[in-house]
Amino acid sequence: EVQLVESGGGLVQPGRSLRLSCTASGFIFGDYAMSWVRQAPGKGLEWVGFIGSNSYGGTTKYAASVKGRFIISRDDSKSIAYLQMNSLKTEDTAVYYCARTAAYWDWGQGTLVAVSS
Amino acid sequence: QAVVTQEPSLTVSPGGTLTLTCGSSTGAVTSGHYPYWFHLKPGQAPRTLIYDTSNKHSWTPARFSGSLLGGKAALTLSGAQPEDEAEYYCLLSYSDGRVFGGGTKVTVL
Repeated sequence: EVQLVESGGGLVQPGRSLRLSCTASGFIFGDYAMSWVRQAPGKGLEWVGFIGSNSYGGTTKYAASVKGRFIISRDDSKSIAYLQMNSLKTEDTAVYYCARTAAYWDWGQGTLVAVSS
Repeated sequence: QAVVTQEPSLTVSPGGTLTLTCGSSTGAVTSGHYPYWFHLKPGQAPRTLIYDTSNKHSWTPARFSGSLLGGKAALTLSGAQPEDEAEYYCLLSYSDGRVFGGGTKVTVL
């Protein structure tokens, strides 16, 4: 069974950094691309970015709203995908989900990030 | 990045049929946009309903189907059930990334 568990969320001040983790199990992690998606309070889903599998060069792509501030990486030996969030803004407040990005997406339960002073 | 548009809200009667659409600011939606449909219920994680325009997972109820219709991606719900009340999001792929639509809140009433 595919399981994805996000962690690392919490309350952080504007301008600070936070790193989220997505720990995977139930599949060969290195074979799959991984995506990050967020949902701000009262808003819809927003695609944040993804990282390809290393067999595809580990390519990363980002939404314009986070490009240059967020970095997605992966550690296939630990089956973990990371979302490094820098220069956080109040508008980055959201529940962050990771998803195994195959033809069919499997989703984690999400972790809440609140950016506030 | 492109803007993806969905109907903000739709209502369907129990047992009725409903079609949600997903358009792109760049032009017609094609299979090359690999349209996805997800549903989201309060307090739950999103769940994939349809991938690559019309493909279903084994768990996807048969009453849901995906297609391309009039230059848009479409999700059709045939025989709506009370448990289908949720928010529905489409996702399209572009050369520079992916974009979600704004979501459609479906009420079964």
